[in-house]
Amino acid sequence: DAGVTQSPTHLIKTRGQQVTLRCSPKSGHDTVSWYQQALGQGPQFIFQYYEEEERQRGNFPDRFSGHQFPNYSSELNVNALLLGDSALYLCASSLAAIKGTYEQYFGPGTRLTVT
Amino acid sequence: GQSLEQPSEVTAVEGAIVQINCTYQTSGFYGLSWYQQHDGGAPTFLSYNGLDGLEETGRFSSFLSRSDSYGYLLLQELQMKDSASYFCAVRPGYSSASKIIFGSGTRLSIRP
Repeated sequence: DAGVTQSPTHLIKTRGQQVTLRCSPKSGHDTVSWYQQALGQGPQFIFQYYEEEERQRGNFPDRFSGHQFPNYSSELNVNALLLGDSALYLCASSLAAIKGTYEQYFGPGTRLTVT
Repeated sequence: GQSLEQPSEVTAVEGAIVQINCTYQTSGFYGLSWYQQHDGGAPTFLSYNGLDGLEETGRFSSFLSRSDSYGYLLLQELQMKDSASYFCAVRPGYSSASKIIFGSGTRLSIRP
């Protein structure tokens, strides 16, 4: 049973550039959430996708956008990168049909460094 | 605003018991979860409390008091592999679609 996978593992970008991160949810899961985790901090909720639509959004600027595909995989796009965007980006999947989807399965993350 | 508070660091001895507390302030509440994260790893789900009381899963237990906006994670028979960061997380909304808010984490160090 494949868990949550993310690509790439590491990424180095220059300020002002754009980046796309990818996530494949755990087999059978239909909901994908994205988080940003700075060093020494807890994950910060960016947004959640279900049925190819953004269902919830955290306090992140419009530079952060996403997409969910019919196979439930998802992308996170960040435009006009800032130094402060350097962080670990985590994808988590869950199954909406289960009442109280409190259990999320996290991927290994993508470490983004902006120079 | 919405916030969670937990101690930043806790140190304990191998074989002992440790409790990590979490207090929260949210506009709504739909459950308290706990996650474990080893250095360089992804968070992994440990437990969930939707109602008041104690939930036990092996060496780990979690407690919730909704009236006090308080919960804790109890780790028994500590092992060196339990050295990790532990995060409490809440759903502030009244639905499973609500976003999840994580605390800043408690770094647990185990001494031999």
